[in-house]
Amino acid sequence: DVKVTQSSRYLVKRTGEKVFLECVQDMDHENMFWYRQDPGLGLRLIYFSYDVKMKEKGDIPEGYSVSREKKERFSLILESASTNQTSMYLCASIGGEDSSYEQYFGPGTRLTVT
Amino acid sequence: GEDVEQSLFLSVREGDSSVINCTYTDSSSTYLYWYKQEPGAGLQLLTYIFSNMDMKQDQRLTVLLNKKDKHLSLRIADTQTGDSAIYFCAESLYNTDKLIFGTGTRLQVFP
Repeated sequence: DVKVTQSSRYLVKRTGEKVFLECVQDMDHENMFWYRQDPGLGLRLIYFSYDVKMKEKGDIPEGYSVSREKKERFSLILESASTNQTSMYLCASIGGEDSSYEQYFGPGTRLTVT
Repeated sequence: GEDVEQSLFLSVREGDSSVINCTYTDSSSTYLYWYKQEPGAGLQLLTYIFSNMDMKQDQRLTVLLNKKDKHLSLRIADTQTGDSAIYFCAESLYNTDKLIFGTGTRLQVFP
């Protein structure tokens, strides 16, 4: 069964803390994505990666960084968490011969920054 | 730039048909998608349509694409309470796996 897992479902952090959100996929997919989801704004792309050690900025990369040391793992890092980063974070994995429809999302991590 | 728009809410009676609409701006879209998000869960791909198609039917789901007007719709026949969720449309751009998502439409089904 296809699996994209995220390290935490719920996370509460204090302003200024460094936060790591982990995403792991077991499908040998090349492409992985991090989105944040906010009411009325839909999903907005933060960063994505086409291969190990490769990363590209999405639409809202400010305040975030990513790491892709292994193909199956894509980490999102909040260097110094702020309250406006309170959100639902979704990881996605895309790959396969016809990558246009083989897309899988993790269950999401709801992060609250106090 | 790319933009995908949806209405935020839709309320229907159980057994009726639901139609969720979406408009997009980028004419270079290759695939257009519908995702479903149930409370507390990630996104589940429901169906997709290639940009050179007009219609796709999959059981209770019918996708209509008007490429001239850049309008996409999802029709759910015989809507059930289990269909209550947020529905996102998304487009993929030519030669990329990057997806542009709409704001999501919250479908509420009442008995």
